Amino acid sequence: DAGITQSPRHKVTETGTPVTLRCHQTENHRYMYWYRQDPGHGLRLIHYSYGVKDTDKGEVSDGYSVSRSKTEDFLLTLESATSSQTSVYFCAISEGSYGYTFGSGTRLTVV
Amino acid sequence: EDKVVQSPLSLVVHEGDTVTLNCSYEVTNFRSLLWYKQEKKAPTFLFMLTSSGIEKKSGRLSSILDKKELSSILNITATQTGDSAIYLCAAVPYGGSQGNLIFGKGTKLSVKP
Repeated sequence: DAGITQSPRHKVTETGTPVTLRCHQTENHRYMYWYRQDPGHGLRLIHYSYGVKDTDKGEVSDGYSVSRSKTEDFLLTLESATSSQTSVYFCAISEGSYGYTFGSGTRLTVV
Repeated sequence: EDKVVQSPLSLVVHEGDTVTLNCSYEVTNFRSLLWYKQEKKAPTFLFMLTSSGIEKKSGRLSSILDKKELSSILNITATQTGDSAIYLCAAVPYGGSQGNLIFGKGTKLSVKP
């Protein structure tokens, strides 16, 4: 979607390796989120940010960390990837109202 | 525990049919409900519903919220193959963190020619 980009779009990594996914926005929105989407579970919140250096955990935060050093960038790190973290990861932004805008997603496969 | 339940989980119809997708919620301090359409990539916003009984309409799609029944429906009339997608609903509670969107698991709609 215009204004929010995720990278990489696809990644295959080995179990035990660290992985960082990037979300970049050009909308200057305050709130940024990381979700994962899995069959049978829908979208589940991993972490979110409500400002630079202000982050909090979501529903499924174990095994993930995040950082937001600039308004426009929100990084999701898997410290030591596991097969259970194979998923599609979506970043989303909002300005405190309800108009969430989602990125196009990152498909991560952990082998 | 807050939850959102969508039904059916999947649905197959033919072009021209009318479909109704359901979303029920049990959310503390409910504020509003969102509907999204997800094709191959990112969910895209369809409707936001805050007031009960007021229909939102966009072309062949319409949606309404019933706060008494804690539910919402999404109607699609004269379906087309391009309507094939996963439809997600999400509840937004008052207060708490801004990360509190509570998603249902989605309804997968397949429209056959």
